Amino acid sequence: DAGVIQSPRHEVTEMGQEVTLRCKPISGHNSLFWYRQTMMRGLELLIYFNNNVPIDDSGMPEDRFSAKMPNASFSTLKIQPSEPRDSAVYFCASSLVDRGGNIQYFGAGTRLSVL
Amino acid sequence: AQKVTQAQTEISVVEKEDVTLDCVYETRDTTYYLFWYKQPPSGELVFLIRRNSFDEQNEISGRYSWNFQKSTSSFNFTITASQVVDSAVYFCALIEGTYKYIFGTGTRLKVLA
Repeated sequence: DAGVIQSPRHEVTEMGQEVTLRCKPISGHNSLFWYRQTMMRGLELLIYFNNNVPIDDSGMPEDRFSAKMPNASFSTLKIQPSEPRDSAVYFCASSLVDRGGNIQYFGAGTRLSVL
Repeated sequence: AQKVTQAQTEISVVEKEDVTLDCVYETRDTTYYLFWYKQPPSGELVFLIRRNSFDEQNEISGRYSWNFQKSTSSFNFTITASQVVDSAVYFCALIEGTYKYIFGTGTRLKVLA
């Protein structure tokens, strides 16, 4: 399998612009996670989807952030409007979540810079 | 609350030295899972190992070994005969419930040639 695929790998944008990050999970996995990594806050879970349904979005910073999973093979994380403090590495991960102890497999990440 | 502590922020060793990365966790659950991930300079997070709370046997995989001790709530990671390619940030994590990972702050390992 190709693993979790994220695009783009790097994104540079100006404050106020809309940013869309994309993720293709591993085929057969039923769960998808979006994380943000910063030096100050480490790895933070933003949102968790199970069977394409958002289950836990308590980590989404504010209304400027939204995530969708229209089908089992694709998810997007959108930031509109973007701000410099959104600069971070955003990871997507997928897993087969059943009773517990699921292993999350991470994509290569998208490094976002908002100027 | 559940918590993972990696007290070592950064470790530097010379190639071929052995190095141990510490991980201490807190949980009220009787069943739980622990993980180690590696984040090399290229940035991706790579899964290394999963351990459940009922299995206290140490595990060895090549130059990597893990020591799980419930009595001290620790899950330490040892690299034997370190190599430059081992240079990375290593994260320990605990799972909360069925899906939520609680990550430690990571330990940056620098292996010098």
